[in-house]
Amino acid sequence: EVQLVESGGGVVQPGGSLRLSCAASGFAFSSYEMNWVRQAPGKGLECVAFISRSKSSGSTIFYADSVKGRFTISRDDANNSLYLQMNSLRAEDTAVYYCVRETSTWFDPWGQGTLVTVSS
Amino acid sequence: EIVLTQSPATLSLSPGERATLSCRASQSVSSYLAWYQQKPGQAPRLLMYVVSSRAAGIPARFSGSGSGTDFTLTISSLEPEDSAVYYCHQRNKWPFTFGPGTKLEIK
Repeated sequence: EVQLVESGGGVVQPGGSLRLSCAASGFAFSSYEMNWVRQAPGKGLECVAFISRSKSSGSTIFYADSVKGRFTISRDDANNSLYLQMNSLRAEDTAVYYCVRETSTWFDPWGQGTLVTVSS
Repeated sequence: EIVLTQSPATLSLSPGERATLSCRASQSVSSYLAWYQQKPGQAPRLLMYVVSSRAAGIPARFSGSGSGTDFTLTISSLEPEDSAVYYCHQRNKWPFTFGPGTKLEIK
């Protein structure tokens, strides 16, 4: 069974840091591009970071403007894991963060999500 | 950034009726348009990809159409379990974007 399980969410003060992890199983993780998508409470969906499959020249990475310079996406193919390092967190980063596999041009499956709350 | 606009924002229909959900892009997304269904407290689930291909396990009452900038998700005969928020999504150009969603209520 293809599965993505996020962890690492929690409550953090403004300006603080968190590292989200996503454990992948049931598929050849290294062969897929991956994304982090977030959803603020009661709001819609926002792609915050993308990472391509690993290449000898390094992965291609994109960030949403809202997180550029503060968030870092990375992957560990040996351990079938995806990460999101989040620094300088702001109240507007409060959201459920989903780890999502990209298959050609669509997102499937999605993890169950992990809640990040930025509050003093 | 490619902006996706969905209409209507809310749709209230009875079981057995036909639902038509629209998604319009601010520029062409080619065929890189997908639809997702999200129920309360759950992660989004893939319904349709590359406009009109149904994802695994999705009933035949769901269909997608369109091209370029105008797309439609049709549910031919509504079931109570179709109550959810439906998002369209483009993966043609970064930042990959989602529409604001259509909330479908089954009376």
